[in-house]
Amino acid sequence: AQSVTQPDIHITVSEGASLELRCNYSYGATPYLFWYVQSPGQGLQLLLKYFSGDTLVQGIKGFEAEFKRSQSSFNLRKPSVHWSDAAEYFCAVGAVLDFNKFYFGSGTKLNVKP
Amino acid sequence: DTEVTQTPKHLVMGMTNKKSLKCEQHMGHRAMYWYKQKAKKPPELMFVYSYEKLSINESVPSRFSPECPNSSLLNLHLHALQPEDSALYLCASSQEGTGSYGYTFGSGTRLTVV
Repeated sequence: AQSVTQPDIHITVSEGASLELRCNYSYGATPYLFWYVQSPGQGLQLLLKYFSGDTLVQGIKGFEAEFKRSQSSFNLRKPSVHWSDAAEYFCAVGAVLDFNKFYFGSGTKLNVKP
Repeated sequence: DTEVTQTPKHLVMGMTNKKSLKCEQHMGHRAMYWYKQKAKKPPELMFVYSYEKLSINESVPSRFSPECPNSSLLNLHLHALQPEDSALYLCASSQEGTGSYGYTFGSGTRLTVV
């Protein structure tokens, strides 16, 4: 069965510091992997996605993520965090064989200290 | 147009009321989804429509009734809801039925059942 684990419930970083949010997945084949961001009371915005090819993918707002098959991970990074990055971040996996299903991790809430 | 539009943004309804949530997209996406999100939790899939036909119902109670009148429009009809149904209801759409391209989410309808 497919699953996504985000081990960190909350993370606090200082503005200007680097950020890494962890995501581990369980899936029998190569998954489709995504990172979404959600501001309070808002919908989810797609930051980036991985299907195949280059394992380092660039997204919007200066975010990037690296797919590591050997570690079953798809961690999200940003070199310098801005106060506006404070939000909830969800990792998700799309399972082609499980038609139309999308599995979300439990989310990581990012706080940014001034 | 690259958005999913949901109306209303907020809804308060009594347990005996009938109301509807509306979702619209004009991106030519052929799959549309309803998700329910409780506070501090990831979104949970409720329904999937693919090519205007209901393809997935995640054992949702019958007091929630989805409808897809055409490829651009998705409704969720609500009747005799319970206070525990209070949540953020998110609509999403995707380019293909498998969702492998990622979903575009609306900003949601905040539903409160009193």
